[in-house]
Amino acid sequence: AQTVTQSQPEMSVQEAETVTLSCTYDTSESDYYLFWYKQPPSRQMILVIRQEAYKQQNATENRFSVNFQKAAKSFSLKISDSQLGDAAMYFCAYRSNNNDMRFGAGTRLTVKP
Amino acid sequence: DGGITQSPKYLFRKEGQNVTLSCEQNLNHDAMYWYRQDPGQGLRLIYYSQIVNDFQKGDIAEGYSVSREKKESFPLTVTSAQKNPTAFYLCASSTRRTGSVEKLFFGSGTQLSVL
Repeated sequence: AQTVTQSQPEMSVQEAETVTLSCTYDTSESDYYLFWYKQPPSRQMILVIRQEAYKQQNATENRFSVNFQKAAKSFSLKISDSQLGDAAMYFCAYRSNNNDMRFGAGTRLTVKP
Repeated sequence: DGGITQSPKYLFRKEGQNVTLSCEQNLNHDAMYWYRQDPGQGLRLIYYSQIVNDFQKGDIAEGYSVSREKKESFPLTVTSAQKNPTAFYLCASSTRRTGSVEKLFFGSGTQLSVL
């Protein structure tokens, strides 16, 4: 099965600054999908951004963007102009074509005012 | 409104008891999933199902069982063989189209504790 690795258990950023969360994955597939989810203290899972592996262009959603490096099997998330409401656990996820979906261990993001 | 519903929100299990967590969706989704989350940890896949009457084991299926008799429902049974069941359980669903980048829709979770 595919594995997803998030090497940063915790990250901290100053309000209005930019932070990048790392994610790598292991797969032998060529076609797959990648996601970043946010989990605030309420424990609700909220989709932040998604990317199809066949697309070379990096996905962007307002202040959130990804750096997708397919050859390196890397999928980092950049949060620009960080806000207090961005504080949460962030999970990277990999979905294969057979709908198997795996998550990383998460990165806890703290935003300092 | 369409959505995915988990019940109960809190559940307590006695030693040697089987308990069943409910997950229902009215989104007409083919694929459904069960994840376990321990405090401060990520989501680990227990089971997933792509269609009715079919399901596959995830990384931590031992001590758990599922059924998928209806498209809308994917109940998870935590058996007495699961020695450390205390965790937060999340159910999710999604479309199954190949080539789709559809996201997972998540329920609000069930917190299971052992008495």
